[in-house]
Amino acid sequence: ETGVTQTPRHLVMGMTNKKSLKCEQHLGHNAMYWYKQSAKKPLELMFVYSLEERVENNSVPSRFSPECPNSSHLFLHLHTLQPEDSALYLCASSQAASGRGGRTDTQYFGPGTRLTVL
Amino acid sequence: SQELEQSPQSLIVQEGKNLTINCTSSKTLYGLYWYKQKYGEGLIFLMMLQKGGEEKSHEKITAKLDEKKQQSSLHITASQPSHAGIYLCGGRTNDYKLSFGAGTTVTVRA
Repeated sequence: ETGVTQTPRHLVMGMTNKKSLKCEQHLGHNAMYWYKQSAKKPLELMFVYSLEERVENNSVPSRFSPECPNSSHLFLHLHTLQPEDSALYLCASSQAASGRGGRTDTQYFGPGTRLTVL
Repeated sequence: SQELEQSPQSLIVQEGKNLTINCTSSKTLYGLYWYKQKYGEGLIFLMMLQKGGEEKSHEKITAKLDEKKQQSSLHITASQPSHAGIYLCGGRTNDYKLSFGAGTTVTVRA
């Protein structure tokens, strides 16, 4: 497996369910990101992790809970979501985290998880 | 926060014709990234530009960053069906955070 992988690719859940999205990067990077992509809107950065430490939380509701157990894995735990949370959730990784040390590292993206909340 | 404006929002081009997409920032960019996305899939990195006046090409795709580092263009020569998709620009300003434009949907007609 190469690059950035995400599972599941599609997820349908009820508002009372608890589910998790998984991301794995095979690039040896130190930073990982969660983005939300809704129709007709620019990508929204949700969380940034650098060396397993959360360095940014862009005012994301607490029903989204990230976890980064090591520099290769990133999870997004979901609970009591709302229909407006339906979107494509993208994971990305880069050599270093954006905004730290003035780096301009390229972010590489996974294929995304299409989430539908009923 | 920094905003990136992309134009056009969508375009349809005849196969074999050229097309240009623009990306404009209200602030100076310290890194400008072009990505391509197939509907419902992840972003594929195309090119990164950093220096004013910089130009890069890969196969039939050319990207430029203006001297003031506030505007970039992506030009595709002799478009093919494989060029269809959503093109997004991403840019870093002085805080080095990456923001994205809303995307340009390209349709190539045979």
